[in-house]
Amino acid sequence: DTEVTQTPKHLVMGMTNKKSLKCEQHMGHRAMYWYKQKAKKPPELMFVYSYEKLSINESVPSRFSPECPNSSLLNLHLHALQPEDSALYLCASSQPQGLPTDTQYFGPGTRLTVL
Amino acid sequence: EDKVVQSPLSLVVHEGDTVTLNCSYEVTNFRSLLWYKQEKKAPTFLFMLTSSGIEKKSGRLSSILDKKELFSILNITATQTGDSAVYLCAACLPGTYKYIFGTGTRLKVLA
Repeated sequence: DTEVTQTPKHLVMGMTNKKSLKCEQHMGHRAMYWYKQKAKKPPELMFVYSYEKLSINESVPSRFSPECPNSSLLNLHLHALQPEDSALYLCASSQPQGLPTDTQYFGPGTRLTVL
Repeated sequence: EDKVVQSPLSLVVHEGDTVTLNCSYEVTNFRSLLWYKQEKKAPTFLFMLTSSGIEKKSGRLSSILDKKELFSILNITATQTGDSAVYLCAACLPGTYKYIFGTGTRLKVLA
């Protein structure tokens, strides 16, 4: 099973709202990622968790707050977003680096619209 | 600066044609290159390439890596309308958890 699931599929929120995106995988992967993708652009890395610890924060504004409650779950908490934050948010997972496979599997994404 | 460049940016072909998509990379400490197909939503994994000259095949798709010339190609034979998508390649940087993505090639296959 190479499935990464994400909820919700679509989200519309106002600039004062607080919402969360959720991601789950059951492949035993110990690295999980959040990417942001704008139309006609490649995915842009936001955060990486390795063994439930934050390894990479690509200078993402504090209105995005990641959380990794356990090895299967990854959340992205959203607060006071701007309209330019509207995008497809992708979660991905992989084995930790150093193991033979670098394959990264993506979830279906959450399409976020900020009004 | 590490970068991955894909060409062409877009391509329109007719069903049955064969296409070759290119991905060149300039990354320090390269380890592997991945190809993905992206339709409306998430990128779906196609191939991971780590060794030069060894072709990977899956049905009508195949890919090969040249670590000397720093590029990879993705071939699709007998294209079908269902092959219409954006094809992304990404270089994996070991020890960093970073994947450097190219801008993608947008392929459209006409019936």
